[in-house]
Amino acid sequence: GAGVSQTPSNKVTEKGKYVELRCDPISGHTALYWYRQSLGQGPEFLIYFQGTGAADDSGLPNDRFFAVRPEGSVSTLKIQRTERGDSAVYLCASSPTQAYNEQFFGPGTRLTVL
Amino acid sequence: GDSVTQMEGPVTLSEEAFLTINCTYTATGYPSLFWYVQYPGEGLQLLLKATKADDKGSNKGFEATYRKETTSFHLEKGSVQVSDSAVYFCALSDWDNQGGKLIFGQGTELSVKP
Repeated sequence: GAGVSQTPSNKVTEKGKYVELRCDPISGHTALYWYRQSLGQGPEFLIYFQGTGAADDSGLPNDRFFAVRPEGSVSTLKIQRTERGDSAVYLCASSPTQAYNEQFFGPGTRLTVL
Repeated sequence: GDSVTQMEGPVTLSEEAFLTINCTYTATGYPSLFWYVQYPGEGLQLLLKATKADDKGSNKGFEATYRKETTSFHLEKGSVQVSDSAVYFCALSDWDNQGGKLIFGQGTELSVKP
């Protein structure tokens, strides 16, 4: 079946602009995670949704970052007033239930802030 | 907080050589441990996992044993192939204390030469 998909695959924006990154999880997966991966580093946790609600948003770096999952499926990560330091690959992962350990990752969105 | 430390790369081996990538962790609870792999141009994939002490995860000729006494989860393969060239990430997940989020090491790049 279809895996996790993310759009766009690449996004180039200018400093100060607003961006939205989309994640389509595997159908039926209730848990959804966002991570950020900087060059040469491992992914860092941003936020976790169980259904429609954010169960853990402790990884969001500041209030410029926000994520939603209004219908418990597709999620959007929103970044306001982008800064050059936001440049990274943003990864989305989904999992069948909150108690299921394996997370399935999407290909990521590479965000470049000029 | 919880953390994962991997040996630094890049690691360069000849085909059929023995591979070890070291991984140690710190955790307040009893985490599950994972190895993820990222092949060139592809997304993160789960390679293997272990959910409790002394468990051995294995897949595609790779093995790792959950060692609670040394807080380690070293990845091994007896005979590497060129197709194993990738970046390998060790990770932990502590449901009881941290929810479902994965905490990753920085990654180890493996290059296998024919």
